[in-house]
Amino acid sequence: EVQLVESGGGLVQPGGSLRLSCEASGFTFSNYWMIWVRQAPGKGLEWVANIKKDGSEKYYVDSVKGRFTISRDNAKNSLYLQMNSLRAEDTAVYYCVRVDGGYAFWGQGTLVTVSS
Amino acid sequence: DVVMTQSPLSLPVTLGQPASISCRSSQGLVHSDGNTYLHWFQQRPGRSPRRLIYKVSNRDSGVPDRFSGSGSGTDFTLKISRVEAEDVGVYYCMQGTQWPQTFGQGTKLEIK
Repeated sequence: EVQLVESGGGLVQPGGSLRLSCEASGFTFSNYWMIWVRQAPGKGLEWVANIKKDGSEKYYVDSVKGRFTISRDNAKNSLYLQMNSLRAEDTAVYYCVRVDGGYAFWGQGTLVTVSS
Repeated sequence: DVVMTQSPLSLPVTLGQPASISCRSSQGLVHSDGNTYLHWFQQRPGRSPRRLIYKVSNRDSGVPDRFSGSGSGTDFTLKISRVEAEDVGVYYCMQGTQWPQTFGQGTKLEIK
């Protein structure tokens, strides 16, 4: 059974940092691109970043470029999102998602709240 | 980026009645491999999105057959033949043909 389990969310002050993790199981992690998608409270879904199978290519939505870094450790079946210089508008539930023909598998999400 | 536009954004429906959600893309969604990567998701309150339909019209395992997807080019539709109480939530279309993948704004289905 495919499982994606996010962790690392919490309350952080503006300008602070957090590192999100996503532990994958039930499939060969290194065979898939992975993405982070976020959802601000009461809002829709927004793609944040994606990473190639071997980590050699990474892409970001403009609003997080230079502040967020996506990475992965295929030996640990884990995906990460390092978030620096956090802003109030980064407050959201962050989901990790497996990229396949149809984005079928999502984690349960982890809530990041940026507030003083 | 491909812009996905859903309508309506709010959809009050009587139990047992049909419902339809439209999704239009700003560009055609046929991939160079011939597939159209247009998918539909349901998000129940407090839950992660759940895929219902992939590549326009393919229903996921466990999804009731009252859900169906159709369309081509830039116009796509999700239909529910007879709405049930468990269908309450927000429905999103998403395109994965061109990167970055983009989502529609969401359509909130509620029971009238």
